[in-house]
Amino acid sequence: DQQVKQNSPSLSVQEGRISILNCDYTNSMFDYFLWYKKYPAEGPTFLISISSIKDKNEDGRFTVFLNKSAKHLSLHIVPSQPGDSAVYFCAASAGAWDDMRFGAGTRLTVKP
Amino acid sequence: NAGVTQTPKFQVLKTGQSMTLQCAQDMNHNSMYWYRQDPGMGLRLIYYSASEGTTDKGEVPNGYNVSRLNKREFSLRLESAAPSQTSVYFCASSEVLRGLFSSGRIGSGDTQYFGPGTRLTVL
Repeated sequence: DQQVKQNSPSLSVQEGRISILNCDYTNSMFDYFLWYKKYPAEGPTFLISISSIKDKNEDGRFTVFLNKSAKHLSLHIVPSQPGDSAVYFCAASAGAWDDMRFGAGTRLTVKP
Repeated sequence: NAGVTQTPKFQVLKTGQSMTLQCAQDMNHNSMYWYRQDPGMGLRLIYYSASEGTTDKGEVPNGYNVSRLNKREFSLRLESAAPSQTSVYFCASSEVLRGLFSSGRIGSGDTQYFGPGTRLTVL
């Protein structure tokens, strides 16, 4: 039973445009949400996160939005750059690294 | 600093063979983790070690054993490999198991660092 779902396996956008990656979760105990970025042949790296007390968190070109009532979060990348091409994983936790659950990932391709 | 290192990078086993995946971190982290990643699924936690001398089961521990050799090293052992264990294995570490979240300030300094992965095929 996947508690964190990323329903779009892939997304392709033009350089300079906005990329929007979506994630849904089912467990109402989740309080912390993270996005990881993964390049081929490398491990995931932490990108940005948000706690349930907020509905938005911004870091440069990356913004994460949280809609608790809909159990939905999204990652916005503006403007998108070719170097952003990677697999993005959404993850959620109820309070510790050991109970974190990951989505299946979305492969983002940013075309020059 | 090398961060989190894993050996080997690739491995092919026959069903029933055993092997140990090695992981080491040089960040003086207390907590370490083993995950597997399968197509169409997210990373799933196999085992973790909150601190030196302790290990606990994660979401998918069956068929695996772990050893926290010291603070730096955390190994994953497959005693009798099965085709269902074909996967990419990631080791990770963090400063502590819960410190990040108890501070309420995600990204304030503590995070989880991953190794580059081991691609394992069991025939």
